[in-house]
Amino acid sequence: GIQVEQSPPDLILQEGANSTLRCNFSDSVNNLQWFHQNPWGQLINLFYIPSGTKQNGRLSATTVATERYSLLYISSSQTTDSGVYFCAVLNQAGTALIFGKGTTLSVSS
Amino acid sequence: KAGVTQTPRYLIKTRGQQVTLSCSPISGHRSVSWYQQTPGQGLQFLFEYFSETQRNKGNFPGRFSGRQFSNSRSEMNVSTLELGDSALYLCASTLRTSGGASSYEQYFGPGTRLTVT
Repeated sequence: GIQVEQSPPDLILQEGANSTLRCNFSDSVNNLQWFHQNPWGQLINLFYIPSGTKQNGRLSATTVATERYSLLYISSSQTTDSGVYFCAVLNQAGTALIFGKGTTLSVSS
Repeated sequence: KAGVTQTPRYLIKTRGQQVTLSCSPISGHRSVSWYQQTPGQGLQFLFEYFSETQRNKGNFPGRFSGRQFSNSRSEMNVSTLELGDSALYLCASTLRTSGGASSYEQYFGPGTRLTVT
């Protein structure tokens, strides 16, 4: 099945810094989502981005499907950005998301 | 629109017991998926239901089962609980669109944190 790898596994930043999180996937996909898991465990939808670039405030994402990767950019990071960021792609059967192991982001003031 | 709701939010059970978790999807979403999250295995797919039918099942033992009702609400059941079943169980409601490019976007509930002692 499709493999999803995220890097880096951990990221420590000072407030105000910028960061780039990467998601590589092993096969072609036509669905990709980025999530932020808050301290209470809920997965918050950030982007649905099977291809192209989207922006939402300080966050933006780019997926290059032909090269099998997606990037999540966080600019001017804030302490509330801390948490785990997951990338997920749809499996071949089209019935389940396959998640990467996540990137744990810690932003300190 | 209200989001995905899950009940209960927290649960403590002992080994050998069984447990039932409930999930109500976003209004209009007919597909519900369940995932298990543990520190060791990460987020793993359990099963998906669409129109009361299980369409796909992950690699979990038969102790894990589920069902979906006509109003799209779903329940999952774990029988004969083991210590290793301690996890965050997440339910996802799926918006499917069709047309020139079909999409499959999942929205997650707050989860049920199950502790087995």
